[in-house]
Amino acid sequence: EPEVTQTPSHQVTQMGQEVILRCVPISNHLYFYWYRQILGQKVEFLVSFYNNEISEKSEIFDDQFSVERPDGSNFTLKIRSTKLEDSAMYFCASSEGLQGYEQYFGPGTRLTVT
Amino acid sequence: KQEVTQIPAALSVPEGENLVLNCSFTDSAIYNLQWFRQDPGKGLTSLLLIQSSQREQTSGRLNASLDKSSGRSTLYIAASQPGDSATYLCAARMNRDDKIIFGKGTRLHILP
Repeated sequence: EPEVTQTPSHQVTQMGQEVILRCVPISNHLYFYWYRQILGQKVEFLVSFYNNEISEKSEIFDDQFSVERPDGSNFTLKIRSTKLEDSAMYFCASSEGLQGYEQYFGPGTRLTVT
Repeated sequence: KQEVTQIPAALSVPEGENLVLNCSFTDSAIYNLQWFRQDPGKGLTSLLLIQSSQREQTSGRLNASLDKSSGRSTLYIAASQPGDSATYLCAARMNRDDKIIFGKGTRLHILP
């Protein structure tokens, strides 16, 4: 069964460093998302991406974040200058269509900022 | 602003019992509602998706219902098993939104 994959599973970085989290969505899906979950808190929406552009973003998704689909398979989240409070589990998701379609989530990347 | 709440936060039941997990949302203008399972330190597994026009969805021992007018959804698990132990999340998608809004989850422990 097709699934969303994410790499790395765990990333440790120092405050101020740039990180890139990678995702491979399900191949026939057209909509891509990033969510994060700070330990013990709710899963929160960051951004959605369709047709090579951001279609919606939350207030969390400020200028230090960016997303890209560099080729036909990968979808990346870049954090330019990490802060301690960026430590969280980051989930990528994809869906075939927009409304009415399930979002399928990857296993997540645990980001630890020290 | 949509708020999704799940009660209780944690639940322990003996194996074999049927159980109900509750989810409530403040804004009834939802497009659909999705239930997920999350194992400790793991990703989210989609269990069921209910469209706003539907009343319930079933998958195996799981049945999810949706009552938009009262702002509630329930996840019914029949004949619970130790392998059902996990955190169950509900998430609502609003009309015209891309994002889904999550509840904090119910941590379920099935006692062998």
